[in-house]
Formats: sequence, C-alpha cells, structure tokens
Amino acid sequence: DAGVIQSPRHEVTEMGQEVTLRCKPISGHNSLFWYRQTMMRGLELLIYFNNNVPIDDSGMPEDRFSAKMPNASFSTLKIQPSEPRDSAVYFCASSSRYTEAFFGQGTRLTVV
Amino acid sequence: KQEVTQIPAALSVPEGENLVLNCSFTDSAIYNLQWFRQDPGKGLTSLLLIQSSQREQTSGRLNASLDKSSGRSTLYIAASQPGDSATYLCAVDLGGSQGNLIFGKGTKLSVKP
Repeated sequence: DAGVIQSPRHEVTEMGQEVTLRCKPISGHNSLFWYRQTMMRGLELLIYFNNNVPIDDSGMPEDRFSAKMPNASFSTLKIQPSEPRDSAVYFCASSSRYTEAFFGQGTRLTVV
Repeated sequence: KQEVTQIPAALSVPEGENLVLNCSFTDSAIYNLQWFRQDPGKGLTSLLLIQSSQREQTSGRLNASLDKSSGRSTLYIAASQPGDSATYLCAVDLGGSQGNLIFGKGTKLSVKP
C-alpha cells in the first residue's frame, strides 16, 4: 500500500478563497483523522471519522472549516473563506481497530 | 482536559551519546501512548506504541517506558547517530478510535558528528 496520500502537498491561496484538501486513507482502515500543525499550537486534532461517519468535530476551529468522507477511500477538508491565520500544515491519518494511526505527508497551506 | 508536555524542547548531543526524552501527561486514563519521529517538511513516522497495560516497548536502539500512575513516559535512544536528528513527538491516545491523539509539542534533537 502507498500509505496515506494527501493532495496537494503545497497550496498558496489568497485570503477569501475556498481551499480544499484531499486525503486517501490506507485501504482497509476504517478511521480517518484530520490534524493541523502550527508552530504556536503544535499538532491538534480537528475531526475524525469512523466508518465514514464524523465522530468528533470539536477541534474544528470555526464554521469556515468543514470535512466530508463520502466513501471509505476519500475525505476532504474545506476552508471557505480562507484567512491568513489558517496557514499551517494539515495532516490526514488513518487507522484500523488493529493498527496505530499512519500519517500522510501533509499539505502545507499558505493563505496570503 | 488532557495535556501533554515534552521536556526539553530542544536537545543537542554529540554522536554516540545515550539520551532520554521526557513526556508527561495530566490524565492517566489513556488507551495507549505513542512516540513519533518527524523530519523537517515530512509527515510523522510511528516509532513505538505502548498499550496502557504495558510498561515498555523496545525497537532497535529505542526503548520507551510508560508509568501511567505518574503520567510519564520516556524515550531512550542508545548510541545516538546524526541520522537520529529530528523532532520527536509524544502522543496519548484517548481511545474511541486508534489515532484520537493528543500531542506534545515535541523535542527537537540534533546529534552532532
């Protein structure tokens, strides 16, 4: 398996624009997590899904953030409208009942 | 609310030294504890996972211990090498699904040749 695949690897966008981050979890994993990493706050869990259902979205900072998992092999994290303070590295991770979480390489988002 | 603290924030050692990285957490009700490595601009690589019922795990030159009652874990790296230079992150799993993690801010390790 190629591991958790995230796209794009880098995204630069202007304030106010919509940004969509994508994640393909490891095949067979039934849990998917979105994390955000910043220098100030470190790694923070934004939301996680179990069997495609959102379980805990208490980490989503604002209503501008939304996440979907339409099927077991794909998830998106959308920010609309984006703001400069959303600049961070966004990680997706997946796990199963029998394995620990495996992380993707991340998407570095810069909002100017 | 669970909080995870890692000390020191940064550490520089000469090659060959043995070293210990520290992690503490405020709530002992954890499912497991993981140590990760992160290289600059990269994702996280899981190094060791200790279940809440275990005391330690070993992988090669790495040994991680867990004392749930005192809310502490240590990562011991033996005979350090320049290739060990990276940021080491500790995370506690709150359960529900494996991967529901609260992370420390990491210790940035530099091993000088």
